[in-house]
Amino acid sequence: GAGVSQSPSNKVTEKGKDVELRCDPISGHTALYWYRQSLGQGLEFLIYFQGNSAPDKSGLPSDRFSAERTGGSVSTLTIQRTQQEDSAVYLCASSRYLGLAGGGEQYFGPGTRLTVT
Amino acid sequence: SQQGEEDPQALSIQEGENATMNCSYKTSINNLQWYRQNSGRGLVHLILIRSNEREKHSGRLRVTLDTSKKSSSLLITASRAADTASYFCATLSTGNQFYFGTGTSLTVIP
Repeated sequence: GAGVSQSPSNKVTEKGKDVELRCDPISGHTALYWYRQSLGQGLEFLIYFQGNSAPDKSGLPSDRFSAERTGGSVSTLTIQRTQQEDSAVYLCASSRYLGLAGGGEQYFGPGTRLTVT
Repeated sequence: SQQGEEDPQALSIQEGENATMNCSYKTSINNLQWYRQNSGRGLVHLILIRSNEREKHSGRLRVTLDTSKKSSSLLITASRAADTASYFCATLSTGNQFYFGTGTSLTVIP
């Protein structure tokens, strides 16, 4: 597709259940990012991938959060044993490259709105 | 927190006026970017300024960067009602992490 896509667009889950969020970046973009945005707040950086590797996972809020990227393309963000404070919009973005002199323009997906009841 | 901060948090102006938003950050950066978010179009990249640049223009947008003060400003000239949105600055740290500010909510009154 022409842009970054995310699925599902909305997810309602019960506390304690696991959820998996998917991101399809723009074809050819080597860098992929996950963010979380709570209601009325700014974006909280979670993790980025350069290719399939995530050099720094320190932004993930807890060990219940994990992310992977396969084939240099699709990425999944998994939240285990969800808590109510995990409720937020999870945004994915991709950029053509990531480098010391770059960082590039990020193209954002529409987000997944997660509600934990 | 290494997250940047924008000010003001909210700004309301008349159509045709200029809007200025400021961003302060804490880490050493490679570049700084401004994004716009509204309910209709999600998050959209506006402009990127590199750490060795001081000013950049794109259409009605003008961005300045002062790395000695760790601050940036976004000026929107001749504002339009369609400019109503939240504006965020984002910094790419030398550790290759992105930090978004808390945003300025701009309302342009027709």
